[in-house]
Amino acid sequence: EAGVVQSPRYKIIEKKQPVAFWCNPISGHNTLYWYLQNLGQGPELLIRYENEEAVDDSQLPKDRFSAERLKGVDSTLKIQPAELGDSAVYLCASSPTGEGYEQYFGPGTRLTVT
Amino acid sequence: GEDVEQSLFLSVREGDSSVINCTYTDSSSTYLYWYKQEPGAGLQLLTYIFSNMDMKQDQRLTVLLNKKDKHLSLRIADTQTGDSAIYFCAESFGGYNKLIFGAGTRLAVHP
Repeated sequence: EAGVVQSPRYKIIEKKQPVAFWCNPISGHNTLYWYLQNLGQGPELLIRYENEEAVDDSQLPKDRFSAERLKGVDSTLKIQPAELGDSAVYLCASSPTGEGYEQYFGPGTRLTVT
Repeated sequence: GEDVEQSLFLSVREGDSSVINCTYTDSSSTYLYWYKQEPGAGLQLLTYIFSNMDMKQDQRLTVLLNKKDKHLSLRIADTQTGDSAIYFCAESFGGYNKLIFGAGTRLAVHP
């Protein structure tokens, strides 16, 4: 079974530029999560999708961040414009719907904003 | 609010047991998790425990839960160099799969 796929793995951009991250969850997993992991910290949830609906986006900075999950499968997370403080690892995870199911994480996209 | 705390660093000798500790604040957490992260990789779920359990054992891993003290521990028996990684404790929050992670404990295994 293929795991969660993310691309790109690494991205370097200048501040004020836009950037997008892509995630393909495990087949059959209806729940998809985007996490932000700063250096030396644990992941923090940005947004959670149940199928194509964003059911928890309370931690997503909506002035510059946006996300979509068209057709309830792949998802894209966008930052526009990027700021220096956005340098971090962006992790995508997926799980079957319901409480207590394990979340499976992708390898992440390491973003560096210069 | 919810918070998960872990010690930042642990060093052990190869073959010894490692014990990584974690405290959490949300008494309503239904599941508590241990994840492992190797350099440049995502998080790998090691094990989890339901809040009505005191202990769970899975091969070399033993999880102990003290719900009264909100304390969770992960014991790794016969620690190997391949166990060197960062270990994250996480609690489920809010009755669904919102995970709150600690900052991680870096485990270093030396010969």
